[in-house]
Amino acid sequence: QQQVKQSPQSLIVQKGGISIINCAYENTAFDYFPWYQQFPGKGPALLIAIRPDVSEKKEGRFTISFNKSAKQFSLHIMDSQPGDSATYFCAASIGGFQKLVFGTGTRLLVSP
Amino acid sequence: ETGVTQTPRHLVMGMTNKKSLKCEQHLGHNAMYWYKQSAKKPLELMFVYNFKEQTENNSVPSRFSPECPNSSHLFLHLHTLQPEDSALYLCASSPKQEGGYTFGSGTRLTVV
Repeated sequence: QQQVKQSPQSLIVQKGGISIINCAYENTAFDYFPWYQQFPGKGPALLIAIRPDVSEKKEGRFTISFNKSAKQFSLHIMDSQPGDSATYFCAASIGGFQKLVFGTGTRLLVSP
Repeated sequence: ETGVTQTPRHLVMGMTNKKSLKCEQHLGHNAMYWYKQSAKKPLELMFVYNFKEQTENNSVPSRFSPECPNSSHLFLHLHTLQPEDSALYLCASSPKQEGGYTFGSGTRLTVV
């Protein structure tokens, strides 16, 4: 119930393409869904987050789509760039921002 | 730098050694966390501190001992570790209000 399932494990996208990473959860008490980006040798950094009262949130080239009934949310990276190559983690928590439960991560490679 | 500083960046220790990891944040955050990051596994929450008080111990073996002397500093004391404890140990902090986690760059621990 506390798990967040993330797919795919790895993804290769051509420059300019759309990268899509999916996450699913079981615990309907989750009310905060952030995505983190991690470059090699660095800790994860908050990219974008959404609450379940909205179905979509966009920040620049990054969009979270949220489907409450399906208990799924996804990250879309438009016009993917080689600099976007990193590992992406979805996460969820109850009551805000503490005790985040993370997905297993998706390693994204954007080819030039 | 993210505002959360971890030292050392790399640590190699024998199974009989005692060592400590240090985390420091000057973001004015109220909560601090230790996470373990192993290959192909989700980020595992180990400990949570709120205003210096430990509020979560996620069934972590006693060979890991956290210490939070004030809201800016967090330590993880290590003793008699096992090779399977080799991982990246990440410290994070968060504010009480919305803002998400800020992670440090981690300590890469190798137990030989």
